[in-house]
Amino acid sequence: QVQLVQSGAEVKKPGASVKVSCKASGYTFTSYYMHWVRQAPGQGLEWMGIINPSGGSTSYAQKLQGRVTMTRDTSTSTVYMELSSLRSEDTAVYYCAREDCSGGSCYPLGFDPWGQGTLVTVSS
Amino acid sequence: EIVLTQSPATLSLSPGERATLSCGASQSVSSSYLAWYQQKPGLAPRLLIYDASSRATGIPDRFSGSGSGTDFTLTISRLEPEDFAVYYCQQYGSSPYTFGQGTKLEIK
Repeated sequence: QVQLVQSGAEVKKPGASVKVSCKASGYTFTSYYMHWVRQAPGQGLEWMGIINPSGGSTSYAQKLQGRVTMTRDTSTSTVYMELSSLRSEDTAVYYCAREDCSGGSCYPLGFDPWGQGTLVTVSS
Repeated sequence: EIVLTQSPATLSLSPGERATLSCGASQSVSSSYLAWYQQKPGLAPRLLIYDASSRATGIPDRFSGSGSGTDFTLTISRLEPEDFAVYYCQQYGSSPYTFGQGTKLEIK
């Protein structure tokens, strides 16, 4: 079955960087875009950016530009999200989510499935 | 950026009742690329509806979506105990792929 498995929880100090991984299985890794979404404690969902696992191209949310980097390793079917210059407001659960699609033109069908989430805590 | 506004923020209903959740967009959502997700505490969101009105695989038919342009609705025809959760709408037609702030559906 299609599955996304993320790396474990992280605790970081302000100013540090964190790198979260998301390993895909059960489908052709390079055929579907991957997104990252985060959720601060008790808050809603915030879209962070997208990566095309085929060519590696990316697009990021404007507020995170310059601090976020998304990469992929096609040999292991894994995408990574690195966030630098961490601040307390970056404390959140970080999710990867596949953009499902159908047909030869890959008509988008929403985000499905999602990884289980990775809690990143930024604290001094 | 398309801003999505969900209403109400909290909806208190009893099992067996009908739930109607709204999602308004600040500008037209292209090609009705509007999705609804359900999220329970401690879990990742789950896709319910895509294309404004298409049910995702395995979603019961008591869930239905409707709307186009700037006004969208998620309806749960008869609430089951497992339906009490937070629901988010999302537009995925143009970047950034924004979410609404969520509607909490709670047991009355």
